[in-house]
Amino acid sequence: QVQLVESGGGVVQPGGSLRVSCAVSGFDFETYAMAWVRQAPGKGLEWVAVTSYDGRLKHYADSVKGRFTISRDNSKNTLYFEMNRLTIEDTAVYYCARVGEVGLTSYFDNWGQGTLVTVSS
Amino acid sequence: DIQLTQSPSTLSASLGDSVTITCRASRSASKWLAWYQQRPGKAPKLLIYAASTLVSGVPSRFSGSGSGTEFTLTISGLQPSDFATYYCQHYNSLLSFGGGTTVEFK
Repeated sequence: QVQLVESGGGVVQPGGSLRVSCAVSGFDFETYAMAWVRQAPGKGLEWVAVTSYDGRLKHYADSVKGRFTISRDNSKNTLYFEMNRLTIEDTAVYYCARVGEVGLTSYFDNWGQGTLVTVSS
Repeated sequence: DIQLTQSPSTLSASLGDSVTITCRASRSASKWLAWYQQRPGKAPKLLIYAASTLVSGVPSRFSGSGSGTEFTLTISGLQPSDFATYYCQHYNSLLSFGGGTTVEFK
């Protein structure tokens, strides 16, 4: 069955960096676009980044553009999210999600369990 | 960007009730709207896409309708597992989520 497992979350100081990962199994990773969606504590969902199946195309929400980088290694069935210049407002559970249809912008048909990133001094 | 406004933000209901959640778009979203269910402490789960297409395995008591700027999610006959938060999402050229509607026990 489809599985997405995030890892790498933790506590980081403001201005710091962190990389989270998402290991996938149960489907042909290299044929699907993938995304990161975050949820601040007690808040709603916010899409933050998406990458095409081959990693060549990437889109970011304005809130993270220029600070965060989405990437993938299809040989390792793994999605990454490099987060730099973190602020308190970046504190959230970060979910990786599979894009459901061809293209970069679609619904998300499978989600990981999420990894918590806490930005605090 | 298309802004999505969900109403109500909280809905109190009893087992067996039928409830409707509305998602309004700031401009036409055509039929490119999805609905998700999120139980506390869990990841979101896709219920419906293309406004009215039910995901395989999702109970038929869930239904979606609408197009353009107004969409609805209806749950016919609430079950214990349905008490959760529901989000709409627009997709196509851009991506955005509604603010969420929590269905709670009355």
